[in-house]
Amino acid sequence: EVQLVETGGGLVQPGRSLKLSCVASGFTFSSYWMYWIRQAPGKGLEWVSSINTDGGSTYYPDSVKGRFTISRDNAENTVYLQMNSLRSEDTATYYCAKDGDYGYGDYWGQGVMVTVSS
Amino acid sequence: DIQMTQSPASLSASLGETVTIECRASEDIYNGLAWYQQKPGKSPQLLIYNANSLHTGVPSRFSGSGSGTQYSLKINSLQSEDVASYFCQQYYDYLYTFGAGTKLELK
Repeated sequence: EVQLVETGGGLVQPGRSLKLSCVASGFTFSSYWMYWIRQAPGKGLEWVSSINTDGGSTYYPDSVKGRFTISRDNAENTVYLQMNSLRSEDTATYYCAKDGDYGYGDYWGQGVMVTVSS
Repeated sequence: DIQMTQSPASLSASLGETVTIECRASEDIYNGLAWYQQKPGKSPQLLIYNANSLHTGVPSRFSGSGSGTQYSLKINSLQSEDVASYFCQQYYDYLYTFGAGTKLELK
C-alpha cells in the first residue's frame, strides 16, 4: 500500500524558513518523480515543485522560484521542501504526491499545514 | 504558462442524475489532463489521467473525455458519496496548472 506522510509544518513568521519532509513507503521510491502541491485555506490547488528520480532536475512556478527548494534522499525514501523567505501568501496545506506516469499525482499524502504570520 | 478554465464553479444535482464538469486549456494539451476528487477535510484523490483513463479503484460511473483544449468529466448516476470538489490539472507543460475547481452538492 502506497503511503506518503508529510511532517514539518507549523506557524512561522514572515521572512523565516521551514523545511517539510515526506516519507514514502509501499513503492520503489527511487523510480518515481515526486511533487509538492499546496492549497490555501478555502482555495484551489497550486503545484509548487517537481523533482525527477535522481534529484538532478527540479521545477518550480514563478510564485516560489528562488525561495523554495525541493530535494530527495532515495536511501531514506524521503522528499523535502525547503521554504525560505516565507510570505503570508505561502500559508496553505502542503501535500506531497507520487507521480503516476508523466505529471499527475496518483497518490497523495494527508497534507501538512503551514501558517505564515507574525 | 497554460491556463485552465474550469466550469461551473459550483453545481447542485440530485441523486441518480448525470453531471458534467468542463475544463478548457489556453492551448492544446494533447490529452495531458487529470481529474481529482477532494472531499471536505481530505487530500485530493486521482480519478482520471491521460484525459480518459480511469485510475485503479475508481467507480466506472466516472468518465473523462475530450481532446485539444476542451475536456470534461462525467459522473453518471450521482451518488451521495460523490459530494466533493473536483479539480482538473494539465501536465502537458512541465509547469503544471490546475483548474479553479467545481464544488458539487446534492440538491
